[in-house]
Amino acid sequence: DQQVKQNSPSLSVQEGRISILNCDYTNSMFDYFLWYKKYPAEGPTFLISISSIKDKNEDGRFTVFLNKSAKHLSLHIVPSQPGDSAVYFCAADYGGSQGNLIFGKGTKLSVKP
Amino acid sequence: GAVVSQHPSRVICKSGTSVKIECRSLDFQATTMFWYRQFPKQSLMLMATSNEGSKATYEQGVEKDKFLINHASLTLSTLTVTSAHPEDSSFYICSAKPGTGGDYGYTFGSGTRLTVV
Repeated sequence: DQQVKQNSPSLSVQEGRISILNCDYTNSMFDYFLWYKKYPAEGPTFLISISSIKDKNEDGRFTVFLNKSAKHLSLHIVPSQPGDSAVYFCAADYGGSQGNLIFGKGTKLSVKP
Repeated sequence: GAVVSQHPSRVICKSGTSVKIECRSLDFQATTMFWYRQFPKQSLMLMATSNEGSKATYEQGVEKDKFLINHASLTLSTLTVTSAHPEDSSFYICSAKPGTGGDYGYTFGSGTRLTVV
């Protein structure tokens, strides 16, 4: 059973508007969450993360929100730019240096000019 | 659906020995699988693209003789770290994509934490 789920395989947004990418998880033992961005023919690049002790982390145009009670996190991109078009992966970690990452299947974001 | 199983999840080995990591697609055929290594700041580096029935395509800077990849069937790819050294200690993860076309729909394995002592 998938422990990390990204239920929307794709998302299309107009340039300048907000992009909201969603991720749900089932394992309450996860204590660290990450978002990766992947361009074609490249490996996923780390984007932003959040610890389970927080409910929000912001970095420039990117903000991640964590709702532990709902086991849900989301990535907000404001304003969206055409260069943001990529596949975004949500990942969860059991924590610590010995933790292993569990990835969602990704959401393809297309930002239209 | 579209499950990728990676084994082992954790391994500790002595310096100089070899370690094999398996990546299996459980419910789909994967003609192509990808191997990544995690680096500081959480980024994943694509090491190689594993193609069923042919030689793997390695990224620049990745030693082919050190990281042996075998993709003998449509559901199994293996990565062997040969003559492992402490600097090879890292998190290795594979992914596969069912079907063809489109750069999305990847399924990742659960990763392997390698520690070389």
